[in-house]
Parts: sequence; C-alpha cells; structure tokens
Amino acid sequence: EAGVAQSPRYKIIEKRQSVAFWCNPISGHATLYWYQQILGQGPKLLIQFQNNGVVDDSQLPKDRFSAERLKGVDSTLKIQPAKLEDSAVYLCASSLGRGRGYEQYFGPGTRLTVT
Amino acid sequence: EDQVTQSPEALRLQEGESSSLNCSYTVSGLRGLFWYRQDPGKGPEFLFTLYSAGEEKEKERLKATLTKKESFLHITAPKPEDSATYLCAVQNNNNDMRFGAGTRLTVKP
Repeated sequence: EAGVAQSPRYKIIEKRQSVAFWCNPISGHATLYWYQQILGQGPKLLIQFQNNGVVDDSQLPKDRFSAERLKGVDSTLKIQPAKLEDSAVYLCASSLGRGRGYEQYFGPGTRLTVT
Repeated sequence: EDQVTQSPEALRLQEGESSSLNCSYTVSGLRGLFWYRQDPGKGPEFLFTLYSAGEEKEKERLKATLTKKESFLHITAPKPEDSATYLCAVQNNNNDMRFGAGTRLTVKP
C-alpha cells in the first residue's frame, strides 16, 4: 500500500515570497492533517480536513496560511507571504476516519527554509 | 489546554542496555495516546496506540504502558537501529492531537 506522498521535499524561499506544498493521502483515507514541525519540537497541528471540509483550523495563521482539499483527496497548503519563523518541516498525515482507533500516517514532509 | 511532556530530552545507551522513556500528559478527555518513531529527515512512523490506564502493547524490543497521568516506552536490549526520536502524542475527544517534543535516543554499539 502506498504511503502519504508529499512534494516538494525541500524548498528555499526569501521572506515575503509565497510557497505551496502538495499532499496525496493514502487511498481511501477520509481525514487529512497538516502539521508544522519546528526543529527540536514535536509536530503542531495546523488544519484538519474530513473529506473536503475543514474540521479544525484553529491553529492555522489565517492571515498568511491557507489550505484546501479539493474533491476530498489531494490537498495543498499555501503560505503567502512567508516569514522567517515559518522555517520548518511541513508534514501531511492521513487517517481512515476521525474516531477512536484511527491512527494517523505521516508523509516524509517538506522542509521549508525562509531566508 | 492539553499538554504533553517527554523526558529525558536525549538518552544515550549502550547496545543491550535497557531503559525507559517517559511521557507525562494532561488532556481534556483522552481518546488515545500514541507513540511514534521519527528518523532524521522522515515523517513520524506509527508504533502504538493506548486507550485506557493499565493497557500495554509490545512490538519487538518495545513495550508501551499507560497510566492516568503518564505513559512509558520501555526498550529492552536496544540495538543501534533503534536510534531515533520517539514522539508521544495525546488525542482528545475532539480528535485534536498534541505532540510532545520527543526523546532523542542514541544506541551505541
């Protein structure tokens, strides 16, 4: 079974530029998550989708971050404009559902460096 | 607010030297406690889910246990390939997941 796919794996941009990350979840997984992992810290949830609807985006800095999940499959996370403090690894995860017993499976992440 | 604290931050062991990693938590309604392994440059890899106090799960040299306030990941006779960062996370009844900062384990041959 194919895992969660993410691209690009690495991205370097200057502050105030924009960037987008793509995620393809495990086939059949209805729930998709985006996390931000700053070096030396655990992942922090940014947004959670159930099919193509947003369930929770309370931790998403909405003045600069946006995300969508069209057709309930692939998802895109965008940052515009980027700040230095956005340098981190952006992880996408998916699970079969939102209830008890549904483990989250993570992709390899996109390492973003903002200079 | 849900909180997860992992200790120690880093642990160095000799091959075969057993030890335990700690995960202390506070959560508003525990749906599950998760352990993940993360290798450098990779995403977290799922290890275990524990749902209620007293529950234990094992996988090869790893054994996870759960109480009402903390979880332990016991590593028996570790090998160098067990070197990684081990992450603990709690999921509340709103399906929100909060991770600890992890314990970076190094096993020397």
